[in-house]
Amino acid sequence: GQQLNQSPQSMFIQEGEDVSMNCTSSSIFNTWLWYKQDPGEGPVLLIALYKAGELTSNGRLTAQFGITRKDSFLNISASIPSDVGIYFCAGQLGGGSNYKLTFGKGTLLTVNP
Amino acid sequence: GAVVSQHPSRVICKSGTSVKIECRSLDFQATTMFWYRQFPKKSLMLMATSNEGSKATYEQGVEKDKFLINHASLTLSTLTVTSAHPEDSSFYICSARDFREDEQFFGPGTRLTVL
Repeated sequence: GQQLNQSPQSMFIQEGEDVSMNCTSSSIFNTWLWYKQDPGEGPVLLIALYKAGELTSNGRLTAQFGITRKDSFLNISASIPSDVGIYFCAGQLGGGSNYKLTFGKGTLLTVNP
Repeated sequence: GAVVSQHPSRVICKSGTSVKIECRSLDFQATTMFWYRQFPKKSLMLMATSNEGSKATYEQGVEKDKFLINHASLTLSTLTVTSAHPEDSSFYICSARDFREDEQFFGPGTRLTVL
């Protein structure tokens, strides 16, 4: 089955620094999604990407859908303490009834004030 | 945004008992709901896809007789962990797809601990 490789596995940064994380896949997806999960909570959608090459921003977050449809990255600029959490990428084939999400293994972000 | 609730938020049970977890879409109709399992510091693993009015589709390796899923209405899906054992202890998360949109909304999760 499809697998997503997400890196880095964890990051320790200082407040104010920029962060970048990425996901690669062995096969294509038609939708890439980035989620944030706080401890003991469900994932919350940050950014959704629907078109190859698409670059989308949401506040301090920027994500891109790779042109090959096999990769995506997420950047966080000027990090703040509340950015702490686990970030997951997810891919979706979509169309018809195939709305299953395949998740990456997550990036644990720690921000030191 | 759309809201998905789960009940209970955490449950502790004895080995051998069955536990039911509810997933509700509060302000939209969900023709499809998904059940995930997450171990500590691990990713979300899809267990099954639940379609309203039909049988659930289970992922490879997930025992359908162990994890019973019922999607009886457009706003409710239930997951029953039958004859629970300590290895079933995990964080169970559901998501619901709003049929009008191409987006899934996640519930807050249920922490199951089997003693």
